[in-house]
Amino acid sequence: EVQLVESGGGLVQPGGSLRLSCVASEFTFNSYAMNWVRQAAGKGLEWVAAISDSGGRTHYADSVKGRLTVSRDNSKNTLYLQMNSLRVEDTAVYYCVGSPARPWLVPRFDPWGQGTLVTVSS
Amino acid sequence: HSVLTQSPSASGTPGQRVTLSCSGSSSNIGSNHVYWYQQFPGTAPKLLISESNQRPSGVPDRFSGSKSGTSASLAISGLRSEDEADYYCAVWDDSLSGLGVFGGGTKLTVL
Repeated sequence: EVQLVESGGGLVQPGGSLRLSCVASEFTFNSYAMNWVRQAAGKGLEWVAAISDSGGRTHYADSVKGRLTVSRDNSKNTLYLQMNSLRVEDTAVYYCVGSPARPWLVPRFDPWGQGTLVTVSS
Repeated sequence: HSVLTQSPSASGTPGQRVTLSCSGSSSNIGSNHVYWYQQFPGTAPKLLISESNQRPSGVPDRFSGSKSGTSASLAISGLRSEDEADYYCAVWDDSLSGLGVFGGGTKLTVL
């Protein structure tokens, strides 16, 4: 069974940093582009970051550019999201999601992880 | 607010056919495929329709998608109680400098 398991979420103060990880299993990780999609409590979905299958290309939502950095280690089947200068409005469940390698930047999101909660609060 | 407009809520009775809409513009729905997601409370979304009208493996044929101009629709026929969920449309937008967008979502209630 395909599994994407996120970790690293938690409570952080405004201006702080956090690093999320997502480990893939039973999944040809290096054949997929990977993404982070977030959802604030009671709100809709927001696509925040994407990385190509090789890791050579990245793309970000305007709301997180310069603060969040997506990366991947294909040898470890792991996706990362480095979150710096966090704001209260970054509070959300963050999902690790696969999408087609080519063409990439297509919102065909499958599979999804179970999500990890990030809370930014003083 | 999102560049994709979905009605916040919709409802239907068991066995009925309901249609959920997603309205956009020429830079998104008008020029790119639409994707639909189903989400139950406390769980991750699930891909329901891809490339505007394709059902991934395992999705019942009660669910169908269509697109016309700058609008897309998700139709659910033979409505069941287990279809009660939130439904989101998603599309790439050629005019944005960032990533693609999701609609605000429609909460479907089965009466």
